[in-house]
Amino acid sequence: GAGVSQSPSNKVTEKGKDVELRCDPISGHTALYWYRQSLGQGLEFLIYFQGNSAPDKSGLPSDRFSAERTGGSVSTLTIQRTQQEDSAVYLCASSLGGRDLRQYFGPGTRLTVT
Amino acid sequence: GESVGLHLPTLSVQEGDNSIINCAYSNSASDYFIWYKQESGKGPQFIIDIRSNMDKRQGQRVTVLLNKTVKHLSLQIAATQPGDSAVYFCAENWGGGSNYKLTFGKGTLLTVNP
Repeated sequence: GAGVSQSPSNKVTEKGKDVELRCDPISGHTALYWYRQSLGQGLEFLIYFQGNSAPDKSGLPSDRFSAERTGGSVSTLTIQRTQQEDSAVYLCASSLGGRDLRQYFGPGTRLTVT
Repeated sequence: GESVGLHLPTLSVQEGDNSIINCAYSNSASDYFIWYKQESGKGPQFIIDIRSNMDKRQGQRVTVLLNKTVKHLSLQIAATQPGDSAVYFCAENWGGGSNYKLTFGKGTLLTVNP
């Protein structure tokens, strides 16, 4: 079946603008994660959704970052008033949830703030 | 500091040789470990996982070894091929079923020379 998809694949924005990044998880996966990956670095956890439970927002770096997951499927990550340090690849992953911790990643959105 | 780290940030091997990528973890409560492969411009791809009740698990051309005594994890790739060139990440989980997050190391760049 289809894997995790993300859009757009690339986004260039001016400093101070808002951006929305979209993630479509694998059908049937109840858990969804957002990560940020800076050049040559590891994955920085941002936020986690599991079913109808309250999301784990402990990784969001500032209140400019927010995310929603509507209907338990598609998720959007919003960055308000973007800064140059927000430039990175934003990765989304989904998993079956429960005891299955394997996360399956999308191709990412490369965000460049000029 | 990082609770999951790698001994070697880069590894260069000849095609056909075996590769060993190492990972150290500091959280003795970690009970699940996973390896990902990330090719340039792509999202991480699941390779293999292992739970702490095992010390070895084999996949296709890959073997993961877990040494809980010294908190060390390794990924062995047999007969390394040019297509294996990528960054490899290890990740850990702890929480006994209440923590669904993976903590990632910074990665090792594997280069396979033809």
